Amino acid sequence: DQQVKQNSPSLSVQEGRISILNCDYTNSMFDYFLWYKKYPAEGPTFLISISSIKDKNEDGRFTVFLNKSAKHLSLHIVPSQPGDSAVYFCAAPSTQGGSEKLVFGKGTKLTVNP
Amino acid sequence: ETGVTQTPRHLVMGMTNKKSLKCEQHLGHNAMYWYKQSAKKPLELMFVYNFKEQTENNSVPSRFSPECPNSSHLFLHLHTLQPEDSALYLCASSQGWDGNEKLFFGSGTQLSVL
Repeated sequence: DQQVKQNSPSLSVQEGRISILNCDYTNSMFDYFLWYKKYPAEGPTFLISISSIKDKNEDGRFTVFLNKSAKHLSLHIVPSQPGDSAVYFCAAPSTQGGSEKLVFGKGTKLTVNP
Repeated sequence: ETGVTQTPRHLVMGMTNKKSLKCEQHLGHNAMYWYKQSAKKPLELMFVYNFKEQTENNSVPSRFSPECPNSSHLFLHLHTLQPEDSALYLCASSQGWDGNEKLFFGSGTQLSVL
């Protein structure tokens, strides 16, 4: 069963507007979340993270919001740029069988139209 | 020189072939990983090596055989694969392994099994 869910496989936004990518998780023990960005023919690259002691973390145009009660986090990109077009993965470290591993969502493909 | 280099970028093989994927990291990291990305599925962790020792084998079939001769190099030996093994295979590294470590990914090997 998926512990990290990205229910929107794709999102299309106009340049200059806000992009909001959503992620839900099932394990209330998760205390750290990461977003990765992946361009075609490249590996994912780390974008931004948030610890559960915070409800917001901002880095330039990128802000991640965490709602622990709803087990929901979102990535806001504002203003969106065509170069932001990529697949965005939400991830969280999960302890399974005594070891920690990073579990990923299926990703959301963002297209920013000029 | 990019941080994590994978070769080959593309590989087509028959079910009776034997091939190897290679990964090299130039970041001085101590942990290396193999991930599999199939279409419309989350990134799946296959193997983890920490200081050259395998610490995770995520129930991967024996037709996939990893090798980590040193902390900078990681191989994935493939033999008698099935068409459903066609996927993007990503190598990653991190400084340590505590679940919160940022992963640095290579560009991946796009594997097609005929």
